[in-house]
Amino acid sequence: GNSVTQMEGPVTLSEEAFLTINCTYTATGYPSLFWYVQYPGEGLQLLLKATKADDKGSNKGFEATYRKETTSFHLEKGSVQVSDSAVYFCALSDPRRNTDKLIFGTGTRLQVFP
Amino acid sequence: DAGVIQSPRHEVTEMGQEVTLRCKPISGHNSLFWYRQTMMRGLELLIYFNNNVPIDDSGMPEDRFSAKMPNASFSTLKIQPSEPRDSAVYFCASCAGQGGQPQHFGDGTRLSIL
Repeated sequence: GNSVTQMEGPVTLSEEAFLTINCTYTATGYPSLFWYVQYPGEGLQLLLKATKADDKGSNKGFEATYRKETTSFHLEKGSVQVSDSAVYFCALSDPRRNTDKLIFGTGTRLQVFP
Repeated sequence: DAGVIQSPRHEVTEMGQEVTLRCKPISGHNSLFWYRQTMMRGLELLIYFNNNVPIDDSGMPEDRFSAKMPNASFSTLKIQPSEPRDSAVYFCASCAGQGGQPQHFGDGTRLSIL
């Protein structure tokens, strides 16, 4: 079945370090891929998305490239800030027709220290 | 534009009581989702509506849980009777329902059953 696998956290970094959070997926068809961020006490917010192979989604300095050959959508940021501390979720759209369900990974907690 | 609006933000009640959570989706969105988030189980999809009709309720834990969507701008999730293990953060999300679209989340209701 369709699934999303994320690296386990927490990921602990110093401010200005380079961030990678790995995400791989299994899906039939051609899903859209998403990264969501959840700050403490808040709901999930869409961070970026990519709808087809080789697309790069980007927002707030974060980037992820839809790699069909490796079924991956890794999240990267060149220089993290303390304010980036949050839980990050990778997700894919169910490629079956007539459904808007998203399949989420388990989330990766990022902790950035000054 | 107003986002997804959930009420109440916090609810504390004694076990056995009826609990009703409310959600107003983004105007124009025709798909609505109820999720539950706990430390132990992560983010779980409870039920999904499209055009006010329940499409997938396979995540509803048991008969104590019920959800309705009487019109395009309002949904409720009811727990009767409530139990301490129902304590969680409950999120509502909506999307435009065109396939592969991102979901937009509310800020959640933090429910504590004593």
